Amino acid sequence: EAGVAQSPRYKIIEKRQSVAFWCNPISGHATLYWYQQILGQGPKLLIQFQNNGVVDDSQLPKDRFSAERLKGVDSTLKIQPAKLEDSAVYLCASSPMGVEQFFGPGTRLTVL
Amino acid sequence: DQQVKQNSPSLSVQEGRISILNCDYTNSMFDYFLWYKKYPAEGPTFLISISSIKDKNEDGRFTVFLNKSAKHLSLHIVPSQPGDSAVYFCAASGKNQGAQKLVFGQGTRLTINP
Repeated sequence: EAGVAQSPRYKIIEKRQSVAFWCNPISGHATLYWYQQILGQGPKLLIQFQNNGVVDDSQLPKDRFSAERLKGVDSTLKIQPAKLEDSAVYLCASSPMGVEQFFGPGTRLTVL
Repeated sequence: DQQVKQNSPSLSVQEGRISILNCDYTNSMFDYFLWYKKYPAEGPTFLISISSIKDKNEDGRFTVFLNKSAKHLSLHIVPSQPGDSAVYFCAASGKNQGAQKLVFGQGTRLTINP
């Protein structure tokens, strides 16, 4: 079974630029999550999708972050414009409606 | 408001000995607890979990203990092996509009010395 795929793996941008991350969850998994992990901290949930509907986006900075899940499968997370404090690893995870979540390798974003 | 805390940022243990990683939580509504292991440049991988109705769950070298009255859980690794060197995250789960939501601790970096 293929795992959660994410791209790109690494991205370096300057502040005020835009960036987008892509996630392909495990086939058949209804729930998809985006997390932000800042160095030295645990993953923090940004947004949770159930199929293609948003369940929770309470911690998503909506003035600059947006996310969508097309047809309940792939998802993209966008930052526009980026700030220095957005430097982090962005993790995508999926779940088949159980407790356990399966994580992708993450995208390391550096904002200069 | 940090609902899940891992107060030890790092832990160093000799190979073959027991590793004990600790985690505290504040929300009594959490119904499931999980441990994830993370190697550099990889995403976290699930290790072991425990339901809030149990006080112990064992899987090979890994055992998780839950003390609900103290709102504390721990992960025991016996015996510790060099491949266990990684960052370990404790996570607590609660229902969020029908789907499970995880809250993570800050992580503990475990180093196993030969």
